[in-house]
Amino acid sequence: GIQVEQSPPDLILQEGANSTLRCNFSDSVNNLQWFHQNPWGQLINLFYIPSGTKQNGRLSATTVATERYSLLYISSSQTTDSGVYFCAVLHSGNTPLVFGKGTRLSVIA
Amino acid sequence: NAGVTQTPKFRVLKTGQSMTLLCAQDMNHEYMYWYRQDPGMGLRLIHYSVGEGTTAKGEVPDGYNVSRLKKQNFLLGLESAAPSQTSVYFCASSYSTWQEAFFGQGTRLTVV
Repeated sequence: GIQVEQSPPDLILQEGANSTLRCNFSDSVNNLQWFHQNPWGQLINLFYIPSGTKQNGRLSATTVATERYSLLYISSSQTTDSGVYFCAVLHSGNTPLVFGKGTRLSVIA
Repeated sequence: NAGVTQTPKFRVLKTGQSMTLLCAQDMNHEYMYWYRQDPGMGLRLIHYSVGEGTTAKGEVPDGYNVSRLKKQNFLLGLESAAPSQTSVYFCASSYSTWQEAFFGQGTRLTVV
């Protein structure tokens, strides 16, 4: 099956810093989503982005499907950005989303 | 509009006991999914359904059964719980696998 690798596995930032999280996948995808799991365990949809670039406030994402990667940018990080960020992809047909292992982000004041 | 709702939120079971987790969605989605999340493992697919009356196995189906008798509900059953099934369980739904999936708030299950 498709492999999804996220990097870095852990990231510690000072409040106000910028960061880039990366998601590499081993085959073509028809769907890609980024999620934020907050410290209470909730999975929050950030972006549905099988290709192209999207922005939502301080967050933006870019997927380059032909090169098999996606990037999540967080600017001017805040302590509320802490948590785990997951990338999930759909490879083909009816097979559901496959998740990476996540990037754990800690933003300190 | 509640989205995806999971019941219960927390549960402690003894080894060998059975239980059913309920997932309900009010978005008229065709597809529904059950995932489990273990430390350092990300989310792994247990079973899924592509429509009412259908079910299919995912990556880690052993020890679980599912049913989709109504479009809006997807049930996950543990017939004889084992400590290895201690995990956080997430339900999700979508119009299709090609479209955005939405997740419930999770069920934390501990088997002692």
